[in-house]
Amino acid sequence: DAGVIQSPRHEVTEMGQEVTLRCKPISGHNSLFWYRQTMMRGLELLIYFNNNVPIDDSGMPEDRFSAKMPNASFSTLKIQPSEPRDSAVYFCASGAFYEQYFGPGTRLTVT
Amino acid sequence: TQLLEQSPQFLSIQEGENLTVYCNSSSVFSSLQWYRQEPGEGPVLLVTVVTGGEVKKLKRLTFQFGDARKDSSLHITAAQPGDTGLYLCAGESRDDKIIFGKGTRLHILP
Repeated sequence: DAGVIQSPRHEVTEMGQEVTLRCKPISGHNSLFWYRQTMMRGLELLIYFNNNVPIDDSGMPEDRFSAKMPNASFSTLKIQPSEPRDSAVYFCASGAFYEQYFGPGTRLTVT
Repeated sequence: TQLLEQSPQFLSIQEGENLTVYCNSSSVFSSLQWYRQEPGEGPVLLVTVVTGGEVKKLKRLTFQFGDARKDSSLHITAAQPGDTGLYLCAGESRDDKIIFGKGTRLHILP
């Protein structure tokens, strides 16, 4: 079975550009989570969806960040405009709170 | 603010030695998970503990949840180079929040 799929794996962009990260969860999983990981702050939950509905977006750092889940098999995390401090590895995970399956991550570099 | 403190932050030991890493909080959690993350990959779930005092074993790894469900430990017996990685604990709080510790970076020397 395919695990959680994320694309792109690496993204390098210039400050001010729009960035869209994509995630395909494991089929049958009802919850999807977006995380950001940095050396300084560790792994932080940004937002999670349950049955395609955003449940808790309190971790989204600011209005520049938005996330959508138009159907059970696809989600996006968008940053507009991007800033250098957004540089991090972004993970998508699916499953349940107590059992999450992570994708390989997208390494974002904003110059 | 709920926090999960992991200690030590870094640990480098020789193959064959035993070790214990810790995950502590002042908050009570409904459940607690341990993950291992290798460079360039996402975290992989090792175990979930739910009941206070619960002990789970996964080959050479022993996980314990504190009686008050505020802390947990991971003990590795006879560490091997394949155990090298970042060990993360995560707690599910009673108000449906998930919090990750910053991890213990473990390096096993052959």
